[in-house]
Amino acid sequence: GAVVSQHPSRVICKSGTSVKIECRSLDFQATTMFWYRQFPKQSLMLMATSNEGSKATYEQGVEKDKFLINHASLTLSTLTVTSAHPEDSSFYICSTHQRYQETQYFGPGTRLLVL
Amino acid sequence: KQEVTQIPAALSVPEGENLVLNCSFTDSAIYNLQWFRQDPGKGLTSLLLIQSSQREQTSGRLNASLDKSSGRSTLYIAASQPGDSATYLCAVGAAAGNKLTFGGGTRVLVKP
Repeated sequence: GAVVSQHPSRVICKSGTSVKIECRSLDFQATTMFWYRQFPKQSLMLMATSNEGSKATYEQGVEKDKFLINHASLTLSTLTVTSAHPEDSSFYICSTHQRYQETQYFGPGTRLLVL
Repeated sequence: KQEVTQIPAALSVPEGENLVLNCSFTDSAIYNLQWFRQDPGKGLTSLLLIQSSQREQTSGRLNASLDKSSGRSTLYIAASQPGDSATYLCAVGAAAGNKLTFGGGTRVLVKP
């Protein structure tokens, strides 16, 4: 069964609105979650590392005020795309791993389309 | 900065042929290397994880080798099937539980 879930799986919104994407670890507590973005026919690019109870760490070039990450519990991290624009349209995927384990488990992804 | 490259970008083979997918990385100081499968519009499924101290891992028809000194990994899929059609991604981890750097992927099509 699924180890990581994401909600919603698909979202369409108008330019200027904010969209929240949830990532849940179903089988274990996840102190760290990773958020990736994938453009069509391209690979995954890490956006930020979400740490439970502390601020997220963003990769170079990723605007932290635009992509708000909250990791308030050991099983849930959220990514909010604020004031979304068409160029934010992409496939957003989260991942996590079990403590002391290295295999990463990925969510099914959320496809965002900004009109 | 670690860079991961996968060649070829796309591959089409008839059913039954063996598949050979290549992955190279620029910084040999890796902690592990993972191979993933991604179906269109879906998330990633972990196939194999190779520790930096290991040279290969096997699971069923899949075998992955790692040559850390030369910065290369190869994924072999024996006796390919149409169900193996997907994009295969390799990713290197710099430290335990740390973020992964992905290659661009190889899109595989196995024709019946």
